[in-house]
Amino acid sequence: RKEVEQDPGPFNVPEGATVAFNCTYSNSASQSFFWYRQDCRKEPKLLMSVYSSGNEDGRFTAQLNRASQYISLLIRDSKLSDSATYLCVVNPPGYSSASKIIFGSGTRLSIRP
Amino acid sequence: GAVVSQHPSWVICKSGTSVKIECRSLDFQATTMFWYRQFPKQSLMLMATSNEGSKATYEQGVEKDKFLINHASLTLSTLTVTSAHPEDSSFYICSATGTTNTGELFFGEGSRLTVL
Repeated sequence: RKEVEQDPGPFNVPEGATVAFNCTYSNSASQSFFWYRQDCRKEPKLLMSVYSSGNEDGRFTAQLNRASQYISLLIRDSKLSDSATYLCVVNPPGYSSASKIIFGSGTRLSIRP
Repeated sequence: GAVVSQHPSWVICKSGTSVKIECRSLDFQATTMFWYRQFPKQSLMLMATSNEGSKATYEQGVEKDKFLINHASLTLSTLTVTSAHPEDSSFYICSATGTTNTGELFFGEGSRLTVL
């Protein structure tokens, strides 16, 4: 089983739709979780950290479910500019949040007009 | 936010040659830098972790003699792909953490290597 697994997609949704991705992780002791966004042929950029209580940043909401070992990302009122690959990132136990991290393979999202 | 610059952004070389990629932290001291490789439609895979002034720690399956990493200063790390072959063609990305660490990794823009 991969340490971090994501549905590769692609998700193709109309502008204005709500879309959600899930990501599962295998190590129950993992402590830190993040969502990164990667545009084609570009470097990943931090979208948001995922906190135990869940957190929201504008149209984006992240949730953590420790019991089922998954994190989710919800995008409301999607925009054309949201088209990208969304990477789920997990910190293995024993590492600080700024050291070794494990990337999921990414979920591709395409927003159509 | 902190800025990490990577150079060159793309390079094409002949099989058997060596290619050097530079990663610089522009506005902070990078005590640790990470090198990743990403093949098309795949995830970023950590290749090695380098700490300033010491030898890099390579991930399992990464040949240290083929991918030479030097982190001689707090603002510069280099990755040299020695005797490159077509299967080494990939997107190489560095990231850095250091004195301005806020829990976020700052990535370079990436270097796309094509080996003919």
